Amino acid sequence: EIVLTQSPGTLSLSPGERATLSCRASQSVRSSHLAWYQQKPGQAPRLLIYDASSRATGIADRFSGSGSGTDFTLTISRLEPEDFAVYYCHQYGSSLRTFGGGTKVEIK
Amino acid sequence: EVQLVQSEGGLVQPGGSLRLSCAASGFTFSSYWMNWVRQAPGKGLEWVASIKEDGSEKYYVDSVKGRFTISRDNAKNSLYLQLNSLRTEDTAYYYCTRVRGYYDYWGQGTLVTVSS
Repeated sequence: EIVLTQSPGTLSLSPGERATLSCRASQSVRSSHLAWYQQKPGQAPRLLIYDASSRATGIADRFSGSGSGTDFTLTISRLEPEDFAVYYCHQYGSSLRTFGGGTKVEIK
Repeated sequence: EVQLVQSEGGLVQPGGSLRLSCAASGFTFSSYWMNWVRQAPGKGLEWVASIKEDGSEKYYVDSVKGRFTISRDNAKNSLYLQLNSLRTEDTAYYYCTRVRGYYDYWGQGTLVTVSS
């Protein structure tokens, strides 16, 4: 099983600031099959990024993903009020798909 | 527009059963793997089960094997999850998702509470 460790657990930032979220895998993620989801309170998760760096349909270009192997990053270039939420990484490169524990981005 | 609309959940006693459903629209349902993912209140996400386009292959997380059954009816564009022998640790929001490796569309979620 590939264990995904997200850091930090909580990120306290102000609107307009840049957010950098990390996802580290316990072993290499095949073919960079890593996705990022956003979840707001009371809502289902929403796909933001797939294949490590491809934006999903309708996702603003302030969201970007990068990385390969065991280290991946989600960057939000300038935080908008609606971006304060929990973010999860997810690997689908192995037969047992796994999620990270999440990073909460909160208003400072 | 792709939509996944889930049935209502409920309160079930330990050892009880419940069937969840997920109605799909806006895409060719029979062309996609489908999934269930769950989330205990205040916790992270956990993949539960997957089913192939034609229902011929099914996979489960170890903790639900032998208790949960995923199925689909392509004529009705519907996905199901039969939950048997429920335990308190099965309490969670259950989400159906469309699968493209990643999970690109999610249902609204169904709360299943297992408690005496």
